[in-house]
Amino acid sequence: AQSVTQLDSQVPVFEEAPVELRCNYSSSVSVYLFWYVQYPNQGLQLLLKYLSGSTLVKGINGFEAEFNKSQTSFHLRKPSVHISDTAEYFCAVMRGSNYKLTFGKGTLLTVNP
Amino acid sequence: GAGVSQTPSNKVTEKGKYVELRCDPISGHTALYWYRQSLGQGPEFLIYFQGTGAADDSGLPNDRFFAVRPEGSVSTLKIQRTERGDSAVYLCASSPSVNYNEQFFGPGTRLTVL
Repeated sequence: AQSVTQLDSQVPVFEEAPVELRCNYSSSVSVYLFWYVQYPNQGLQLLLKYLSGSTLVKGINGFEAEFNKSQTSFHLRKPSVHISDTAEYFCAVMRGSNYKLTFGKGTLLTVNP
Repeated sequence: GAGVSQTPSNKVTEKGKYVELRCDPISGHTALYWYRQSLGQGPEFLIYFQGTGAADDSGLPNDRFFAVRPEGSVSTLKIQRTERGDSAVYLCASSPSVNYNEQFFGPGTRLTVL
C-alpha cells in the first residue's frame, strides 16, 4: 500500500516570499503524483500532476513541483506567493493500476501581508 | 460547464438516524468516487464506480455505509444508524473514465451527527 507524508501541517509566509511545501511518499510500485488545493468551503482543485517524463512539473497559478524518485519526494514550490494563495494544500498518490487517490494530511499555507 | 455538485451542502442529524448524500457528476463522466475527509485529515477513499457497478468498495468502513449509482450518473451514499464518528465532509469526484488520471471534485457535504 502507498502512503503520503506532508511534513508541515502549517506554513506561514509573507506576501511575495518564496514557499516550498514538502511531500514524501512510500510505495513499492510506480505511482502518479498530484497536488490539490482546497480553498475555504470549496472542493479540491488540481494544481499539477506528475505521470511520467520530465521530473519538473508546472501547474496553475505559478506553482511547480519536482519529482525525485531517489528521495521519494514531490515538493511543491512557488517563487513569490500572493495573499490569494492562502489555502490548504494536499499531496496525493495514485498507483497506476489502482484508481484510488491516497492523500496526505494537508499543509495549511497562510500568506500574510 | 457545470462541475460536480453535491447535495445537501450541510446535513445535521441525530445519532442513530439514516442519511443520504447525493452526488451529480460532470455530464458524461463514467467514473465516480466517494471520499471522506475528517477534521484535520486528508480525504480517504471510500468507493468508486465505473458506470453503474461499484468497482472497488474497499474503503467503506463498515456495513452501515452503502452507495448506489443505478443509472450510471447520479450516485447516493447512504449511511444507516449514524454515529458521532461519522461526522466529516463527504467528497464526491468524477472523471471521464477510470483510466483518466485526474479526478474532478465537488464541494462536499458536511455531515454532523449529534
